[in-house]
Amino acid sequence: GAVVSQHPSWVICKSGTSVKIECRSLDFQATTMFWYRQFPKQSLMLMATSNEGSKATYEQGVEKDKFLINHASLTLSTLTVTSAHPEDSSFYICSFYREPEQYFGPGTRLTVT
Amino acid sequence: KQEVTQIPAALSVPEGENLVLNCSFTDSAIYNLQWFRQDPGKGLTSLLLIQSSQREQTSGRLNASLDKSSGRSTLYIAASQPGDSATYLCAVKNDYKLSFGAGTTVTVRA
Repeated sequence: GAVVSQHPSWVICKSGTSVKIECRSLDFQATTMFWYRQFPKQSLMLMATSNEGSKATYEQGVEKDKFLINHASLTLSTLTVTSAHPEDSSFYICSFYREPEQYFGPGTRLTVT
Repeated sequence: KQEVTQIPAALSVPEGENLVLNCSFTDSAIYNLQWFRQDPGKGLTSLLLIQSSQREQTSGRLNASLDKSSGRSTLYIAASQPGDSATYLCAVKNDYKLSFGAGTTVTVRA
């Protein structure tokens, strides 16, 4: 299967600061990628979809000014959580789509204190 | 909107017993269905992918069936082992979007 990496694997930040999470596909190029969020004991919820070189499409209820997505290249996407608050503490997982499957990164645990 | 339900939410079995995990979905116009495994605090590992035109897929001790018309899929794990302990997620693809169930957490007792 394809390899997707995320960095950092975990991060603790203070309320009001911004955090950037990187997602890379290591062995393939993909035009479409996804960011998911997972709260404890819950399933993955899609936050946004992005295509390389264009603006991300956000799911209903996800603030696009708070969660900035940059799909800079076919192998790199970043998610920036701006002015983070404790309620943003969650597990964030990226995913690249290569027909017919989606390949997921190992996730980033964000804790906002 | 696609709704995906997994039953049971949790399952505990002795080693060697076969596992049966159920997944149901409301919109049968799916592109494919994937089963994933998630270990605590980790990402997702893809187990099996079933295209909408297929009825089942097998890999080793794992077998997944798909009945698109009734909106159901079942994951069978034969001769369970303690290493099978994890959360199993079912995900259904419509158009470009993957919708996940809440998962079944499996504990296999040695």
